[in-house]
Amino acid sequence: GAGVSQSPRYKVTKRGQDVTLRCDPISSHATLYWYQQALGQGPEFLTYFNYEAQPDKSGLPSDRFSAERPEGSISTLTIQRTEQRDSAMYRCASSPAGSYNEQFFGPGTRLTVL
Amino acid sequence: AQSVTQPDIHITVSEGASLELRCNYSYGATPYLFWYVQSPGQGLQLLLKYFSGDTLVQGIKGFEAEFKRSQSSFNLRKPSVHWSDAAEYFCAVGPRSNDYKLSFGAGTTVTVRA
Repeated sequence: GAGVSQSPRYKVTKRGQDVTLRCDPISSHATLYWYQQALGQGPEFLTYFNYEAQPDKSGLPSDRFSAERPEGSISTLTIQRTEQRDSAMYRCASSPAGSYNEQFFGPGTRLTVL
Repeated sequence: AQSVTQPDIHITVSEGASLELRCNYSYGATPYLFWYVQSPGQGLQLLLKYFSGDTLVQGIKGFEAEFKRSQSSFNLRKPSVHWSDAAEYFCAVGPRSNDYKLSFGAGTTVTVRA
């Protein structure tokens, strides 16, 4: 596509529910990243994919967070048993292979956990 | 551990005046350096990047940044600000290895007054 898209743009859920966020990267991009951005802070790295491989998931805050990219294109980030501290903007970015960190960001999903 | 500091949380500048946003980093070796801009409802957009070579880097929208190794700084400048430059600006650093893990500062919000 023309740019990175994310859905939903806004998600409100109750504590304890599971949520799944979706990222559709730029179609030619091999690498996909997930970030969490708390209010008043910069984005913080969660995990990334090279095609369908997930070489680094060190930024995932707990085992309630998981991400997948089964066919090397669209990715989902799932948060199980959500907690209020999970409320944040979740940003997805993508980059071509070998572009040395030049990442193109989507508009983000604003998650609110009540 | 690497860190990125943007000392100014909020800056107000008059339209037509010059703008400088500060960024300092703490890193084991000179990283890749980036400035991103975030407009309301939009994803982060890359303004410019420094990988190597000339320490004065030109970017989009009339922005430039200067890398100063001795000061571990990468300050962003614009000679004459337009009302459309009102946004949040993030400095980011990334390792020169291939793990793609960007670290962002907390951001500086720029308000432009007429």
